[in-house]
Order: sequence, then C-alpha cells, then structure tokens
Amino acid sequence: NAGVTQTPKFQVLKTGQSMTLQCAQDMNHEYMSWYRQDPGMGLRLIHYSVGAGITDQGEVPNGYNVSRSTTEDFPLRLLSAAPSQTSVYFCASTNRVLTGELFFGEGSRLTVL
Amino acid sequence: DQQVKQNSPSLSVQEGRISILNCDYTNSMFDYFLWYKKYPAEGPTFLISISSIKDKNEDGRFTVFLNKSAKHLSLHIVPSQPGDSAVYFCAASTGKLIFGQGTTLQVKP
Repeated sequence: NAGVTQTPKFQVLKTGQSMTLQCAQDMNHEYMSWYRQDPGMGLRLIHYSVGAGITDQGEVPNGYNVSRSTTEDFPLRLLSAAPSQTSVYFCASTNRVLTGELFFGEGSRLTVL
Repeated sequence: DQQVKQNSPSLSVQEGRISILNCDYTNSMFDYFLWYKKYPAEGPTFLISISSIKDKNEDGRFTVFLNKSAKHLSLHIVPSQPGDSAVYFCAASTGKLIFGQGTTLQVKP
C-alpha cells in the first residue's frame, strides 16, 4: 500500500517559473490537503478538498492553485514562483475529517531562486 | 493570527524522565486536538488525539491532557526514550486541521 505519494521530492525553480507538485493517494480518502512547513511557522494549510470537484482555501492560499478532478489526485500549482514560496510542501489525506487524523506524504522540498 | 501556539521551540530531557510538551489555542470551537510526530525528511505521523469533551487520553507512554478553561493542552511522554527525539506538532480541528509551530524534543541517553 503506497499511501500518499508526492512528486517530485526536490525541485529548484527560478523566480517566475511555474510548476505543479503532484499528490496521489490510494486509500480512497475523500479529504485531501496541502501544507507548507517553514522554520518557526509550523505547518500551514494552503488548500484543501473534501471531495472530487470541491476545493477551498486554507490559511496561506495566495500564489497557489489546486483542482480535484479525481478522488486520488490533488495537484498543487505554483503559477509564478517567488522566493517566498521556498518551503517543504506536504500533502495529506484522510477519511476522518472531524477527528483530524491525517496521513501525510514524505514531502516535496522546493527552492525558488 | 496564530490560533494554535507552541511557545517552546525546543526541549531536552534525559532518557527515562518525563517529557512535557505544551500547546495553547485561541479558538473555543475546536472539536479535536491532536499531536503529530515528525522525523527529519519524513512526513508527520499521527500520535494521539483528544476530543474537546474529554480532559485526558492515554495511549501507552503517551498521555494528552486538555484544559478547556485555560485553552491549553499538553503531551506527556513517560518514560522518554531516545527514539522519541523528533519534532512534535500540536494541532486542532474544526474539520480542517490547524497546526502549531512545533517543538523539537531531544532525549539524551
């Protein structure tokens, strides 16, 4: 069982470039979310989805787009990368939304020069 | 506006002693409170949780205490082991999960 799979694990971008971080889960979870982890800031929620076709903003959504066309996939798009988006990104999923028990991927480390 | 706060960035304890990690929150609408553990280069993993209607939940060496009047929760690890060395995040849920900044725990042999 793969769980939550994120690709790529590492990426370097130049300011202004665009890219997509991929996230896939094979647990048939309805809820998926993206977090970024920065030193001293903890994990901050970027966007989340409660099911296919439904997305919503989290705490820090600016500069990011998401879509949810299938239950399994929840890609995160950076339209025009900025140095402030240098971070480690985590995708997570669950079927236990109310209790908050998320299953996380291993993370994607993004550097924007 | 930080709704969930961990004011201690780091904690160091001796193996076998108790580790106490603290967390404060501001939103009284949170339904569940959780602790996650994170090792370097890995994603966070769920450790223990507590419902807002309870004040204590225990799972082996890990106990979480909730003080609703003070809007404070804590995680007790007894006895602490070197393998417990990690970053611990507290989190609170209203259907989406909000995390604190994390506390790095070092357990010395």
